[in-house]
Amino acid sequence: SQTIHQWPATLVQPVGSPLSLECTVEGTSNPNLYWYRQAAGRGLQLLFYSVGIGQISSEVPQNLSASRPQDRQFILSSKKLLLSDSGFYLCAWNAGAGALDTQYFGPGTRLTVL
Amino acid sequence: GENVGLHLPTLSVQEGDNSIINCAYSNSASDYFIWYKQESGKGPQFIIDIRSNMDKRQGQRVTVLLNKTVKHLSLQIAATQPGDSAVYFCASRGGKLIFGQGTELSVKP
Repeated sequence: SQTIHQWPATLVQPVGSPLSLECTVEGTSNPNLYWYRQAAGRGLQLLFYSVGIGQISSEVPQNLSASRPQDRQFILSSKKLLLSDSGFYLCAWNAGAGALDTQYFGPGTRLTVL
Repeated sequence: GENVGLHLPTLSVQEGDNSIINCAYSNSASDYFIWYKQESGKGPQFIIDIRSNMDKRQGQRVTVLLNKTVKHLSLQIAATQPGDSAVYFCASRGGKLIFGQGTELSVKP
């Protein structure tokens, strides 16, 4: 069966520091991968998605970036964090080949920027 | 733009009662709908889905109803239990998957 991992689970970072969040998926090949941010208002904001290695689409322009160095690895980064980057970051996957079916979410990373 | 909305941000029900969570969507081309449950501090968990060629789909204690005429779907939870307390999201696919804002369900013992 497929599983999705995220780490770290929680992170407290000072303003201006770099960020690297990692997501990996097991048990599937060539998945679509997604990064979402969930603010206190509970809505899910799509940040990035990827349909393959090295292929990244950005939904919201901001100081974050994403990379997919391997088929089942998705990384969210920032060079300098802002206070507004605080939130709950969720990685998700679904079947590849352009499918837009059910997305399955990881456990999330709680980021607090101070 | 395309959006998905829930009618109520919070819902409180008595344990054992049935719960109904509603969702409206704007894109008439949406062809696939999903309900997720998110417990505090965890990622959303898939509950049930329905395709636009269906009006109703049942799972274990949950039923999703889809009314394409008024672009509305609902999630019904039978015999609500304390473990059902969570935020529930609907999502619709009309090209890309769009998530609603969520309804927080509280179950009173």
